[in-house]
This record gives sequence, C-alpha cells and structure tokens, in this order.
Amino acid sequence: LAKTTQPISMDSYEGQEVNITCSHNNIATNDYITWYQQFPSQGPRFIIQGYKTKVTNEVASLFIPADRKSSTLSLPRVSLSDTAVYYCLETDRGSTLGRLYFGRGTQLTVWP
Amino acid sequence: DADVTQTPRNRITKTGKRIMLECSQTKGHDRMYWYRQDPGLGLRLIYYSFDVKDINKGEISDGYSVSRQAQAKFSLSLESAIPNQTALYFCATSRTSGGSQETQYFGPGTRLLVL
Repeated sequence: LAKTTQPISMDSYEGQEVNITCSHNNIATNDYITWYQQFPSQGPRFIIQGYKTKVTNEVASLFIPADRKSSTLSLPRVSLSDTAVYYCLETDRGSTLGRLYFGRGTQLTVWP
Repeated sequence: DADVTQTPRNRITKTGKRIMLECSQTKGHDRMYWYRQDPGLGLRLIYYSFDVKDINKGEISDGYSVSRQAQAKFSLSLESAIPNQTALYFCATSRTSGGSQETQYFGPGTRLLVL
C-alpha cells in the first residue's frame, strides 16, 4: 500500500537538473521521506532521506517544505547513467517494523 | 550490493514444481526481507524476518513460505509454483537501529519464470 504519489515517467537531457516531486498528503509526524533508485535488473538502492527542509549528499538533494505534504528530489546535471526508476517512500522514524512500501516509482529517462 | 547475494539469478520451472530461492548476506544485519516485483507494480513485500526465530507475513504471502536458517540466510520457497508467480524476486537486509531510520540493502534479484 504505497502512501505516496509521484509521476509515472519523466524525460530529461544530459546536463540538465531534474526535479521529481512526490506527494504525501497524509504523512505522519514520525515519518521520514526516503528515496530509492533502481537500475534495470538490479535491486533498489538508497539515495537520500529527509524529515524537513533540505538535505544534500553526493548524489542528490531533497527538499521538504514546512507542511511536509510533498517533497522534491533534485538530481543536478544528470547523465545517461541516471536513467532509472526513482521511488519515494514514507518511512516511520519510530517503527520497529522496518517495512518499506514501494509504489510504482518514476521512470526517469535521460537522453543524449 | 555484493554483500547480499541471491541464488539462482534466473530460474525456469513448470507449474506445480517446488522451488527455493536463496539469499545470503555478509553485512551482519539482523533483518531480512523478500519482495517480488512485477512490471508496473513496484515492489511488494512477501515475508520478513527480524531475527532467526522471527518470521512475519507481508502483503502477498499466499503461495510462499520462508525459512531463516541462520542470521545470514533467508530462503523463499514456492511450494507449488503457478504462472502468476512469474516475477523478479528481491531479497533485502537491514540492521535494527533503535528507532532511527533503517536503510534496506537489496540483492541483485532472481528472475523466475513459471511455465
């Protein structure tokens, strides 16, 4: 039961910045937003996680506004190798369950 | 992630056959998971285990069983395979982190075709 909504697909060109928006209107107080990346024929890979405001790492940035009802994954200067499916998930900070709910994700295709 | 391995990587079987998919990890994690992925449906949780003596059903456990033989090994069995179990199967692991966020690490997947 995916709790988030994101676009099914996006296209971009090499060198551009890509922003993928995720909606999570009913996010709980304890929930973080976590993004995974999946390349064809591989398992998903964690890329970034945040609770509010902005988080940046070597791969991406994550922007979460004050109301936390949405978030935006930003990939700077994408390359062909960034072509993948990107999943936005709500993850419970205090949960002992450890379960992840994956929706359909966003298929990002980067063109030359 | 090379620390999580799955065998076999590809398998073709016939309806009614019993098959086992195996997962091993060298990350020292206590939690292990089995997911299946179907085109256009994302990943769905089949079973999960938080330690050797703990087994829990996920969203779609019917037709599947699991065994946690050791902390590092978690096997998924299809007792009597059927064609709609054709899918890509992923094993994942994570470490209990006392309430903070856990990252799951996925294996390379097993592609199963049931004829």
